[in-house]
Amino acid sequence: GAVVSQHPSRVICKSGTSVKIECRSLDFQATTMFWYRQFPKQSLMLMATSNEGSKATYEQGVEKDKFLINHASLTLSTLTVTSAHPEDSSFYICSARDIQADSSGNTIYFGEGSWLTVV
Amino acid sequence: EDQVTQSPEALRLQEGESSSLNCSYTVSGLRGLFWYRQDPGKGPEFLFTLYSAGEEKEKERLKATLTKKESFLHITAPKPEDSATYLCAVGPLQAGTALIFGKGTTLSVSS
Repeated sequence: GAVVSQHPSRVICKSGTSVKIECRSLDFQATTMFWYRQFPKQSLMLMATSNEGSKATYEQGVEKDKFLINHASLTLSTLTVTSAHPEDSSFYICSARDIQADSSGNTIYFGEGSWLTVV
Repeated sequence: EDQVTQSPEALRLQEGESSSLNCSYTVSGLRGLFWYRQDPGKGPEFLFTLYSAGEEKEKERLKATLTKKESFLHITAPKPEDSATYLCAVGPLQAGTALIFGKGTTLSVSS
């Protein structure tokens, strides 16, 4: 099946610095990618929808100036957490939509997630 | 408002003890219902997509069914390796629209 790769899988950064997380679709083109945040034992919370070549659409309560999303190509979206604080520590997951369903009917693929720890 | 509710929140089974997980939903224009498995510290792993009421899909010990208001994930004779959080999500599958997730059911299977 299609693969979505996220990098880095784990990152520790100092408070006040910025960190970038990449999300790549490896064998399909994704005009739309989604960024989620997940707290321990909680479900996935949609942060923003990333559209190739245009501005991301942010969910209510998500600061667009803090969580910068760039979707510069059909296979890459990036999430940059700017001026990170300890409360930004979380598990960030991206997903990408393949407009063609595979034989099992799946169209949306998830990355492995990125653990961010801000110290 | 589109909403997905999963029950129970947690389920403990003995190996071989079959059971079902429930996902009820209210969504306008449902185009697909997804089941994912998530292991701790990992991204969701796709299991099934169901598109219409009455549809069923199977994979090893798992079978997913769909009605107009809910979906069930049946686990037959589970094994300890089936322990995970099972997430249900719905989506209109229109371009640019994200899935709406339930909070998940955490399954623990002991030997």
